[in-house]
Amino acid sequence: EDKVVQSPLSLVVHEGDTVTLNCSYEVTNFRSLLWYKQEKKAPTFLFMLTSSGIEKKSGRLSSILDKKELFSILNITATQTGDSAVYLCAVYRGSTLGRLYFGRGTQLTVWP
Amino acid sequence: DAGVTQSPTHLIKTRGQQVTLRCSPISGHKSVSWYQQVLGQGPQFIFQYYEKEERGRGNFPDRFSARQFPNYSSELNVNALLLGDSALYLCASSYSGQLVQPQHFGDGTRLSIL
Repeated sequence: EDKVVQSPLSLVVHEGDTVTLNCSYEVTNFRSLLWYKQEKKAPTFLFMLTSSGIEKKSGRLSSILDKKELFSILNITATQTGDSAVYLCAVYRGSTLGRLYFGRGTQLTVWP
Repeated sequence: DAGVTQSPTHLIKTRGQQVTLRCSPISGHKSVSWYQQVLGQGPQFIFQYYEKEERGRGNFPDRFSARQFPNYSSELNVNALLLGDSALYLCASSYSGQLVQPQHFGDGTRLSIL
């Protein structure tokens, strides 16, 4: 059975801390892994990772994929209260490219 | 440019009723996917439509149906509502449903069943 597992499920930090969110996957015919941020409603796209070992960066956020060990991490440096959200990991597999397989998400809370 | 728009924002129904949710994709996007998200869980795939044809269906009962119109907007219908159908229903669009590319989500419709 295809699985996408995120850890931790929740995390509480103070502003300025650095956090690492984890996503492991077991899917047949893996194609790509995506990270989304969900505050109240719409998940907003952060990164899509297809190749192993290539880091993607956007400001204080960065992510990397390890296709050998079947996991990805999302790093957030110098956290701010506006980073408080649920971070969702999702994968594409096979030829079903309209379907994302999501993990349960990590609830990040950043205190001032 | 407008993002993915969904209507209505909130909806309250009773058991046994029927509901129709609507989605307009980003301009130029031809693929629409529907997801159900219950509290504390990640979104679960319901349907994908691309070029007005159903291209994928998740593990949902036949009470769930959908369609896509010539302008690529989409409707999700749910019949004989159950309490367990209470959830956030998300619509996502992408340019092509046959390429590895990000899906962009709308704000969702919050459906509550009493």
